[in-house]
Amino acid sequence: GESVGLHLPTLSVQEGDNSIINCAYSNSASDYFIWYKQESGKGPQFIIDIRSNMDKRQGQRVTVLLNKTVKHLSLQIAATQPGDSAVYFCAESKGGSYIPTFGRGTSLIVHP
Amino acid sequence: GAVVSQHPSRVICKSGTSVKIECRSLDFQATTMFWYRQFPKQSLMLMATSNEGSKATYEQGVEKDKFLINHASLTLSTLTVTSAHPEDSSFYICSASSQGNTDTQYFGPGTRLTVL
Repeated sequence: GESVGLHLPTLSVQEGDNSIINCAYSNSASDYFIWYKQESGKGPQFIIDIRSNMDKRQGQRVTVLLNKTVKHLSLQIAATQPGDSAVYFCAESKGGSYIPTFGRGTSLIVHP
Repeated sequence: GAVVSQHPSRVICKSGTSVKIECRSLDFQATTMFWYRQFPKQSLMLMATSNEGSKATYEQGVEKDKFLINHASLTLSTLTVTSAHPEDSSFYICSASSQGNTDTQYFGPGTRLTVL
């Protein structure tokens, strides 16, 4: 699985911009991927998920892209708002194991 | 739906004491519950997985006698940090999944433990 980072990469954007948060995963057998948002002092909140039989999935203001060839996952947030400021984690799991492995996380800072 | 609560949200204790953290699924039956630990600015690290009525499965490096997990019912799991020390200070998060949707985990709000 993804290794745990000792520091969080940070992405700073202006309000209204689109944000792209990237994640690399290591287990080629993983077939289920989830993005979580974690605000300071709170538990992770589910944002969107995608299964390996898809390469794109859209939600409200969010899009997840999956590139299995290079084992890469991205989260796109449209028209980023200050309330989107948080740490975003990708997680991978293999169907049936229901135990996700969390990525290192990215801190998103949205400036008004 | 699918709400998971934790209690307490914050706890401060003296070194050497034991602390119990509760994790409850409020509106669904959680066949499996998970306990995570998170240090500042780091990712979530899975500590153990517990299934109702059976012993918890601990991840490598997690002391089962230090972190006692009980999953006595389909809506409640407890984590007891025994003989806590300052290095046990951390953010502890539980999550739960239901029998009907094992891929999805619902996370609790976390418990901030500070050991003096």
